[in-house]
Amino acid sequence: GAGVSQSPSNKVTEKGKDVELRCDPISGHTALYWYRQSLGQGLEFLIYFQGNSAPDKSGLPSDRFSAERTGGSVSTLTIQRTQQEDSAVYLCASSFLTASGNEQFFGPGTRLTVL
Amino acid sequence: AQSVTQLDSHVSVSEGTPVLLRCNYSSSYSPSLFWYVQHPNKGLQLLLKYTSAATLVKGINGFEAEFKKSETSFHLTKPSAHMSDAAEYFCVVSERLQGGKLIFGQGTELSVKP
Repeated sequence: GAGVSQSPSNKVTEKGKDVELRCDPISGHTALYWYRQSLGQGLEFLIYFQGNSAPDKSGLPSDRFSAERTGGSVSTLTIQRTQQEDSAVYLCASSFLTASGNEQFFGPGTRLTVL
Repeated sequence: AQSVTQLDSHVSVSEGTPVLLRCNYSSSYSPSLFWYVQHPNKGLQLLLKYTSAATLVKGINGFEAEFKKSETSFHLTKPSAHMSDAAEYFCVVSERLQGGKLIFGQGTELSVKP
């Protein structure tokens, strides 16, 4: 079956512009996670969804970052007024449950470059 | 709060020799521990996981890891390295009541020489 998909695969934008990143989880997975991978910070948690609710947004770096999930499926991560430090690979993962031992399946990521 | 320390940023081995990638964790509760691998320009793939069952965990491609609570370690090993094992490896911790979010170590880049 299909894995986690993300779009676009690459995004180049100018500083100050808004961007939207999309994640399509594996069908039937109720949990969805966003992470960011950058040279300086490594891999860091941003936010997770259980269904359409986001119980933990603690990893979002600023109020310029927001995310939503609709229909218990697709999620979008929005970055407003992008800054150069937002340049990173944004990874989405999904799992069947939010239990700590569940395997998360990762998408290929969206590489964001802010000029 | 939980955290993970990977003790080596880069490990280089010769093909056919053993691999050891070291990881120490810090956790307030009984953690779940994982090793993920990331090949160049590829997505993250789960190698193995520990979730309070057997302390010696076997994963894919001949990798295994041993959970040692007394040492707070979860080192990854493989008896004989292949060229295809060259990749970035991440030790990861997750705690109960944290929604399953993963806390990643900084990664260890494994190089395999012919």
